[in-house]
Amino acid sequence: RKEVEQDPGPFNVPEGATVAFNCTYSNSASQSFFWYRQDCRKEPKLLMSVYSSGNEDGRFTAQLNRASQYISLLIRDSKLSDSATYLCAVNKGAGRRALTFGSGTRLQVQP
Amino acid sequence: GAVVSQHPSRVICKSGTSVKIECRSLDFQATTMFWYRQFPKQSLMLMATSNEGSKATYEQGVEKDKFLINHASLTLSTLTVTSAHPEDSSFYICSAWGLENTGELFFGEGSRLTVL
Repeated sequence: RKEVEQDPGPFNVPEGATVAFNCTYSNSASQSFFWYRQDCRKEPKLLMSVYSSGNEDGRFTAQLNRASQYISLLIRDSKLSDSATYLCAVNKGAGRRALTFGSGTRLQVQP
Repeated sequence: GAVVSQHPSRVICKSGTSVKIECRSLDFQATTMFWYRQFPKQSLMLMATSNEGSKATYEQGVEKDKFLINHASLTLSTLTVTSAHPEDSSFYICSAWGLENTGELFFGEGSRLTVL
């Protein structure tokens, strides 16, 4: 079983749609969680950290469920510019360690 | 904010040659940098952790004699792919945690290696 798993997609949605991605992780000792966005042939860029109580940043909402060991990302009112691959990342321990990434979920927002 | 810069962004080389990739932290010091590799449509896979002033720590299955890492200063880590072969063709990305209070892992722009 992979340490961090995501549905690869692609998710093809129309502009304005709401779309949700899930990510599961296997290590129950994982301490911190992130969503990154990666455009084609570019480096990943941090979209948002995921906090235990859930957090929102504009059209983006992240949730963490420790009991079931998954994190989610909700995108409301999708824009064409949201088309990208969304990577979840997990810090398996405390401190400033390397992150473990899922393989990413590809989103294509269509006009 | 913190920035990590990587060079070169693209390199094409012949099989059997060596390629050096540089990773710099531009406005902060990084005692630790991480090197990842990403094959098409796959996840970023951690190759090694680069430690300033000491030996790098390699992940299982990564050949330390093939992927030489040097972290001689607090702002520069280098990855040298020695005797490159076509199967080494990949996207190599370095990363480093920013300032203590930012809680963000920053990535370099990545280096796309093609070995002919």
